[in-house]
Amino acid sequence: AQKVTQAQTEISVVEKEDVTLDCVYETRDTTYYLFWYKQPPSGELVFLIRRNSFDEQNEISGRYSWNFQKSTSSFNFTITASQVVDSAVYFCALSETGETSGSRLTFGEGTQLTVNP
Amino acid sequence: DGGITQSPKYLFRKEGQNVTLSCEQNLNHDAMYWYRQDPGQGLRLIYYSQIVNDFQKGDIAEGYSVSREKKESFPLTVTSAQKNPTAFYLCASSLTGTPNYGYTFGSGTRLTVV
Repeated sequence: AQKVTQAQTEISVVEKEDVTLDCVYETRDTTYYLFWYKQPPSGELVFLIRRNSFDEQNEISGRYSWNFQKSTSSFNFTITASQVVDSAVYFCALSETGETSGSRLTFGEGTQLTVNP
Repeated sequence: DGGITQSPKYLFRKEGQNVTLSCEQNLNHDAMYWYRQDPGQGLRLIYYSQIVNDFQKGDIAEGYSVSREKKESFPLTVTSAQKNPTAFYLCASSLTGTPNYGYTFGSGTRLTVV
């Protein structure tokens, strides 16, 4: 069975601090996809990034960066110089494969990030 | 613009009543999903459908029902059998197969039982 663990339930930082959100996953698949979503207070989940299992290159997008390490089954997300607008719940997710599961995603429990001014 | 529309945004229900949440997408996605989110909690899968006229139970299907008569629509009915229906409900859709592009989410419906 696939599983995603986000051990940090809540994180609180002061604006301009860097913060890393951890994500550890379990899967038996050799081909899989990992995702991060942001859920602001409005409620809608917003897609941030997708990474496939064959691409271990780290990615940077502005103040956001992602570190994918297959050896430790981790896909961590770092926000540099955090801002109040980064306050949200962040979800890590893993794709399922197979005939019955289709494109289902398995979500972690989420990490509530609060950035204080 | 393509997207997912959930309505209504807020819904109040009296105990013992059934209520239907709407979810419509114009992304031409084959698969659609319903999730429930309780305060401070993660997402729990209620039902999903990968093709018209077919759907599968998720992890917490009891007290809920769905239909998928059209590709664009996947309504969720919260029945009186659902003991704790007050929650935030999210609908999502996706393409099927590989590569997996992930989900597009609607803006959610907040259901409160009064």
